[in-house]
Amino acid sequence: NAGVTQTPKFQVLKTGQSMTLQCAQDMNHEYMSWYRQDPGMGLRLIHYSVGAGITDQGEVPNGYNVSRSTTEDFPLRLLSAAPSQTSVYFCASKGSRGNSPLHFGNGTRLTVT
Amino acid sequence: QQPVQSPQAVILREGEDAVINCSSSKALYSVHWYRQKHGEAPVFLMILLKGGEQKGHEKISASFNEKKQQSSLYLTASQLSYSGTYFCGTEGGSGNTDKLIFGTGTRLQVFP
Repeated sequence: NAGVTQTPKFQVLKTGQSMTLQCAQDMNHEYMSWYRQDPGMGLRLIHYSVGAGITDQGEVPNGYNVSRSTTEDFPLRLLSAAPSQTSVYFCASKGSRGNSPLHFGNGTRLTVT
Repeated sequence: QQPVQSPQAVILREGEDAVINCSSSKALYSVHWYRQKHGEAPVFLMILLKGGEQKGHEKISASFNEKKQQSSLYLTASQLSYSGTYFCGTEGGSGNTDKLIFGTGTRLQVFP
């Protein structure tokens, strides 16, 4: 049981480049989400999804796109990377019951130069 | 809105107790608590659902005051392994259709 799998673990981009952070879960969770973590800022929600075909914005969605074509996958796209997007990104999922915990991936450390 | 955590940082000696608070400006369905060690992903501690319940996990327990939209995490007889950053996360709505928003964290350091 792999849980939540994020790839890559590390990535360096140049300003203006695009990339996709991959996230997959094998727990049949309806809810999936992306957070970014910066020093002193905690975990800030970028986008989330409550099921396949449904996505919504979180606290800091600008500069990021998501899609949810399957229950398992929830990729995060950076269309034109900026230095302000240098951060650690976590994907997380949870079940639909009210007392379901959030399961985190191991994170992606992204640096934009 | 992001829940507010206090204090921002706590320094303890082994065996001492600590309380971490989390408050929200909106009605809550649930409060989650997680601990994160440096360089790792957050790890789940416990969830409290509306109804004012209190839960415990070994020497770590928590309460949830639904009317005040506040939760507190209690760490008793702290151990070195308790060191890390603690985050509360809050959900509104019915829980399974609303987003989970985290506070800015409380850094806890336990020394021998």
